[in-house]
Amino acid sequence: DAGVIQSPRHEVTEMGQEVTLRCKPISGHNSLFWYRQTMMRGLELLIYFNNNVPIDDSGMPEDRFSAKMPNASFSTLKIQPSEPRDSAVYFCASSFSSGPTDDTFGSGTRLTVV
Amino acid sequence: KQEVTQIPAALSVPEGENLVLNCSFTDSAIYNLQWFRQDHGKGLTSLLLIQSSQREQTSGRLNASLDKSSGRSTLYIAASQPGDSATYLCAVRAGKSTFGDGTTLTVKP
Repeated sequence: DAGVIQSPRHEVTEMGQEVTLRCKPISGHNSLFWYRQTMMRGLELLIYFNNNVPIDDSGMPEDRFSAKMPNASFSTLKIQPSEPRDSAVYFCASSFSSGPTDDTFGSGTRLTVV
Repeated sequence: KQEVTQIPAALSVPEGENLVLNCSFTDSAIYNLQWFRQDHGKGLTSLLLIQSSQREQTSGRLNASLDKSSGRSTLYIAASQPGDSATYLCAVRAGKSTFGDGTTLTVKP
């Protein structure tokens, strides 16, 4: 398995533009997590899905953020409109919720909003 | 609300030294605890996973312990090497994972 795949690796966009981050979890994993990491706030859980259903989105900072998981092999995190304070590294991770396997992280998307 | 604290925030040691990183958490109702390594500008790499029913896990020069009742875990690194320099994060899992802020380790040659 290629691991958790995130795209794009880097994104630079202008304030006000829509940004879509993508994630392909490990095949067979049924939990998917979106995190944001900044120097100021560390690693924050934004939302997680279990069996494609959002379980906890309490970490989503504002209505400008939305996440979807239309099927077991794909998820998106969308920011519309983007703001400079959204600049961060966004990680996606997946795991098998009922088993002993550990969370596997993607390489992240480094987002810069100018 | 679960809170995870890692001490120290930063640690610098000479090569070859044994060291201990600490992680504490406030809610002992966890499924598991996981230690990660993050190199600067990179993603997270899982090092060790300890289930709530386990006391410790070992992988090579790494040993992680878990005392759920006291809300503590330690990561022991034996014979440290410059390549061990990174930020080490612990995360406790109960449905979702809650991360500490990490300990940044520098091992000097």
